Amino acid sequence: GESVGLHLPTLSVQEGDNSIINCAYSNSASDYFIWYKQESGKGPQFIIDIRSNMDKRQGQRVTVLLNKTVKHLSLQIAATQPGDSAVYFCAEGGSQGNLIFGKGTKLSVKP
Amino acid sequence: ETGVTQTPRHLVMGMTNKKSLKCEQHLGHNAMYWYKQSAKKPLELMFVYNFKEQTENNSVPSRFSPECPNSSHLFLHLHTLQPEDSALYLCASSQEIKGRDEQYFGPGTRLTVT
Repeated sequence: GESVGLHLPTLSVQEGDNSIINCAYSNSASDYFIWYKQESGKGPQFIIDIRSNMDKRQGQRVTVLLNKTVKHLSLQIAATQPGDSAVYFCAEGGSQGNLIFGKGTKLSVKP
Repeated sequence: ETGVTQTPRHLVMGMTNKKSLKCEQHLGHNAMYWYKQSAKKPLELMFVYNFKEQTENNSVPSRFSPECPNSSHLFLHLHTLQPEDSALYLCASSQEIKGRDEQYFGPGTRLTVT
């Protein structure tokens, strides 16, 4: 079946360091992947997405890497700031046309 | 602001009550979704609507009843809920239904069933 999961439930980094959040997916037919950020008391907010014809995509301070060989997705945040503290979800575009979400990784930034 | 609003933001109800959650999107999208978010679990898709038509009911108990009067509004009617139904209920919308389209989420309704 389809499933999306995260390697680590929590991640703590020092302000200014780079953060890497990982995600594994199981459906090799998925061709769309997306990262969301959810701050306390808010709904998930879009960060960045990537399609399977790419292996890297960059945004403002964020980079998503896609390794289709091992079905692995990662989100890199450069120069992590306190405002980056949140839960980060990955999701894949499922074969049934719906996004399938992982459990989430909680990122804590230490000042 | 994502363009998706939800009311109320917080709701406490007894197991015999009837209440409704409301979602409105101002993005001109055609697809709307209800999700349930429980602690330490992935987002659970409940219902999907496309152009006001329900296209998916993800084995949701009948005590949850969705309603989509138009493409901009989505309701979730609640009755005789159980304590395990306590969760954050999120509404989302997207331009179309496909697993290759960004979904925009509302802030959610924090539901507590006593």
